[in-house]
Amino acid sequence: EPEVTQTPSHQVTQMGQEVILRCVPISNHLYFYWYRQILGQKVEFLVSFYNNEISEKSEIFDDQFSVERPDGSNFTLKIRSTKLEDSAMYFCASSEKKGIGGTDTQYFGPGTRLTVL
Amino acid sequence: DAKTTQPNSMESNEEEPVHLPCNHSTISGTDYIHWYRQLPSQGPEYVIHGLTSNVNNRMASLAIAEDRKSSTLILHRATLRDAAVYYCILRDVGYGGATNKLIFGTGTLLAVQP
Repeated sequence: EPEVTQTPSHQVTQMGQEVILRCVPISNHLYFYWYRQILGQKVEFLVSFYNNEISEKSEIFDDQFSVERPDGSNFTLKIRSTKLEDSAMYFCASSEKKGIGGTDTQYFGPGTRLTVL
Repeated sequence: DAKTTQPNSMESNEEEPVHLPCNHSTISGTDYIHWYRQLPSQGPEYVIHGLTSNVNNRMASLAIAEDRKSSTLILHRATLRDAAVYYCILRDVGYGGATNKLIFGTGTLLAVQP
């Protein structure tokens, strides 16, 4: 069964450094998302991406964050200057289509654990 | 998105049915009811969704109250692998451009005893 993959599984970085989290969505999917989950807290939406542009972003997704689909398979999340509070599990997700009536299913990857020291 | 209320935790025995409730008293006529679950140390996983009628798939059943103000996710025979946090999420049908994002609450932590 097709699945969303993410690399690395764990990333440790120093505060102020740039990190890039990578995702390979399911191949025929058109919508891509990033979510994050701080340890012990809810899963939070960061950004959605469609047709090579951001379609929606949350308040968390400030100027320090960016997303890119550099080729036909990868979808990346970049954090320019990491802060301690960016430490979290980051999940990539993809869906085939928007789905009339909110019926699209989002498929999540296993996540990248980001630790900022 | 309309708010949902779920119990913080529930327990079940292996191979017994589990009924996970969700209250959504402010649901609008255009809200779909979605269920996702998150196994330990994994990303969320789609379980099932419905609008008005009860729904069945290979993972679970979804029973929706006639007034749509509550729903119940039914796992017919719980296994140890079903131990997870279960999220009930409302999503607007929004033909005109509703958001795709999922808004997760705290969900119900299901423990399954052998």
